[in-house]
Amino acid sequence: GAVVSQHPSWVICKSGTSVKIECRSLDFQATTMFWYRQFPKQSLMLMATSNEGSKATYEQGVEKDKFLINHASLTLSTLTVTSAHPEDSSFYICSSLRAGRSYEQYFGPGTRLTVT
Amino acid sequence: DAKTTQPTSMDCAEGRAANLPCNHSTISGNEYVYWYRQIHSQGPQYIIHGLKNNETNEMASLIITEDRKSSTLILPHATLRDTAVYYCIVRVLQGAQKLVFGQGTRLTINP
Repeated sequence: GAVVSQHPSWVICKSGTSVKIECRSLDFQATTMFWYRQFPKQSLMLMATSNEGSKATYEQGVEKDKFLINHASLTLSTLTVTSAHPEDSSFYICSSLRAGRSYEQYFGPGTRLTVT
Repeated sequence: DAKTTQPTSMDCAEGRAANLPCNHSTISGNEYVYWYRQIHSQGPQYIIHGLKNNETNEMASLIITEDRKSSTLILPHATLRDTAVYYCIVRVLQGAQKLVFGQGTRLTINP
């Protein structure tokens, strides 16, 4: 089956630093990728939608200058958390829509970010 | 996307069928019903989806009522590894439609 990977799987960083999370679709092309955030005991919250070669569309309340999304190729999207604060500590999950088969959406394993 | 309503939690004995209900009374004619599940600290896993006919795959069965206002996900022989949060989502099939997650049902399979 289709596989989506994320790197790193977990990261600890200090307040004020930036962290980049990569999301890759390993065996298919993804024209659209989504980024979600999940706090403990809560559901997934959609942060933004990214399309290859264009600017991401952010959900209401998500700061685009803080969460930088780049979707430079059909298999890679990155999320950079800039000037991280402890409240940014969360589980970040990406998902990819398979090109030409939009009913197939696959999720990555998630990245656990802890900001100290 | 239309909203869905699911019970917060359910328990089921190992080896028995787990039946997870979902209400989607405002579903539109072109919206499909999707089910995903999330095992603790992992990304969501696709289970099944359907429009109006009942569907079955190697993981589960999906029963959709004739008026499409509700559906039931059936895990025929639940195992301990089926313990997870199950999400029922409705969305349009075509295009880059985002999946919007509700609170889901926390299913616990007991030995």
